[in-house]
Amino acid sequence: DAGITQSPRHKVTETGTPVTLRCHQTENHRYMYWYRQDPGHGLRLIHYSYGVKDTDKGEVSDGYSVSRSKTEDFLLTLESATSSQTSVYFCAISENRVSGNTIYFGEGSWLTVV
Amino acid sequence: DQQVKQNSPSLSVQEGRISILNCDYTNSMFDYFLWYKKYPAEGPTFLISISSIKDKNEDGRFTVFLNKSAKHLSLHIVPSQPGDSAVYFCAANTGTASKLTFGTGTRLQVTL
Repeated sequence: DAGITQSPRHKVTETGTPVTLRCHQTENHRYMYWYRQDPGHGLRLIHYSYGVKDTDKGEVSDGYSVSRSKTEDFLLTLESATSSQTSVYFCAISENRVSGNTIYFGEGSWLTVV
Repeated sequence: DQQVKQNSPSLSVQEGRISILNCDYTNSMFDYFLWYKKYPAEGPTFLISISSIKDKNEDGRFTVFLNKSAKHLSLHIVPSQPGDSAVYFCAANTGTASKLTFGTGTRLQVTL
């Protein structure tokens, strides 16, 4: 198994509160990604990083920000959580550009916004 | 705009028979296609992939077929086993991008 740890694994929070999800990798991979999974939508890319302090938006980036101050850590922040951000969040890593079996996913973080 | 579509949300197959999961795409720039398998409460895991320069790729019980003219790919699992019961996601990449576009998934149930 790829060395990816997501924390917290489960969280319930109130609308309007800030939330930070953490992804930690031990593989020293360059690329890191945050996806969310929702019924009827599959997995959608929120943000990704191609190096320390280098990040870019995905297809559903509104309401989210990210930071990567170290190779091994990629943080996803919901500045003011809304009920529409209730979802399962997956971190993923890849050594280089995605090409088949080089992308690895974490086990997911379940977030409920009430 | 869903660029990768899996029109069958679920599929039930008997153990030992063939499972065929389908995926359609609209973006002609996609040149690499992948299938991921996901069990409940776990992250997706890579299963098999195919480049657009090929029309078939086989790995054990799993075969992926690509029909570029129809913008269609399929995953065949033969023979199906109960442990194959999972959600299967089709994904596509433009090759130069470092991110994947996923379909909505098909839940496969293999019955005894």
